[in-house]
Amino acid sequence: AQKVTQAQTEISVVEKEDVTLDCVYETRDTTYYLFWYKQPPSGELVFLIRRNSFDEQNEISGRYSWNFQKSTSSFNFTITASQVVDSAVYFCALSPWSEKLVFGKGTKLTVNP
Amino acid sequence: GAGVSQTPSNKVTEKGKYVELRCDPISGHTALYWYRQSLGQGPEFLIYFQGTGAADDSGLPNDRFFAVRPEGSVSTLKIQRTERGDSAVYLCASSNPGSYGYTFGSGTRLTVV
Repeated sequence: AQKVTQAQTEISVVEKEDVTLDCVYETRDTTYYLFWYKQPPSGELVFLIRRNSFDEQNEISGRYSWNFQKSTSSFNFTITASQVVDSAVYFCALSPWSEKLVFGKGTKLTVNP
Repeated sequence: GAGVSQTPSNKVTEKGKYVELRCDPISGHTALYWYRQSLGQGPEFLIYFQGTGAADDSGLPNDRFFAVRPEGSVSTLKIQRTERGDSAVYLCASSNPGSYGYTFGSGTRLTVV
């Protein structure tokens, strides 16, 4: 069975603070993809990143960075110098090689001015 | 089209009625997915099409739910004898093999009263 756990239901920070969203996953597959999506109040899921299980290199894209650790089955997401526009629900998801996605319950991030 | 289009954006129906939700994927995308998102939860997989055929319908909750994609592009999710528990946002996504991520539509918010 596959499962994604996002233990943080809600996080509230003040603008310019750094924030890390945790994601822990379970799978018996040796080959899989991990994703992060952003869901702003408008409701559309916005793709942020995809990593495959063979690539444990951390990735940085502007203020966003991702830390993939296979040993702890974690794929954490850090936003540096948060901004009000980062306020959204963030979902971590797992996929067995480009098929259906298994989502976590999401973390609602509120960035206050 | 430029993105995944879902219609209607909102649908209110009475318990027991039949509804159809439409998804128009990105032109040329061969894979199409339906997900259901209840309030405060992550999206849950319903069904996945590769071309015209349903490659995986393991997420359909019961036989009141059915989906088609007769020409390999537009898909319709059909719900018979709707129940109040069917109220949710129904999301559609499309992708192509080798593409970097799924593109989601804005969803149809279904309310059964």
